[in-house]
Amino acid sequence: QKEVEQDPGPLSVPEGAIVSLNCTYSNSAFQYFMWYRQYSRKGPELLMYTYSSGNKEDGRFTAQVDKSSKYISLFIRDSQPSDSATYLCAMRNAGNNRKLIWGLGTSLAVNP
Amino acid sequence: EAQVTQNPRYLITVTGKKLTVTCSQNMNHEYMSWYRQDPGLGLRQIYYSMNVEVTDKGDVPEGYKVSRKEKRNFPLILESPSPNQTSLYFCASSLSPTPPDTQYFGPGTRLTVL
Repeated sequence: QKEVEQDPGPLSVPEGAIVSLNCTYSNSAFQYFMWYRQYSRKGPELLMYTYSSGNKEDGRFTAQVDKSSKYISLFIRDSQPSDSATYLCAMRNAGNNRKLIWGLGTSLAVNP
Repeated sequence: EAQVTQNPRYLITVTGKKLTVTCSQNMNHEYMSWYRQDPGLGLRQIYYSMNVEVTDKGDVPEGYKVSRKEKRNFPLILESPSPNQTSLYFCASSLSPTPPDTQYFGPGTRLTVL
């Protein structure tokens, strides 16, 4: 079993829809949870970051962590065609080891 | 402009012909790493460097070498490339040792080994 599981999709939604992207993990020591967005032919870029449990909101994006269920989510409200990308979750332990454990990424297409 | 650059962006080569992919960052970052990205396998770390002259293996180091002689540069060396090293390669760097420890990725190098 992988440490981080992420449904690769693809996910196709109409413009304006609410999108829910999810990852599950097995390592209870993970404390830091990140979502990266990767456009086609580009490197990943950090979108959202959350420490421990709880929610974090940034514009149309909300990141949610449920440590009791080992489940993280990224919600996109009022999705736009420009949100079409692959979304990767990543997480790591506390401490100086900066090793990130990555999900495989979910491919999202927002159709006009 | 703060950025991570990689060269070349695209490379087609033959088995056994040594090659180097360069990576440079202009953000004075201490931490740099190399990843490869493959369908169904995702991003896997090859090597990383915590600072000048400090490097360590990631998850898939076999067949690769790195060096960190200067803070800004972190080249990836394939001494004898093989077809199973055909992949999309990313260099990344980050500054802070504490989270979120944002990693900035380069644009990628698509390598094909025939």
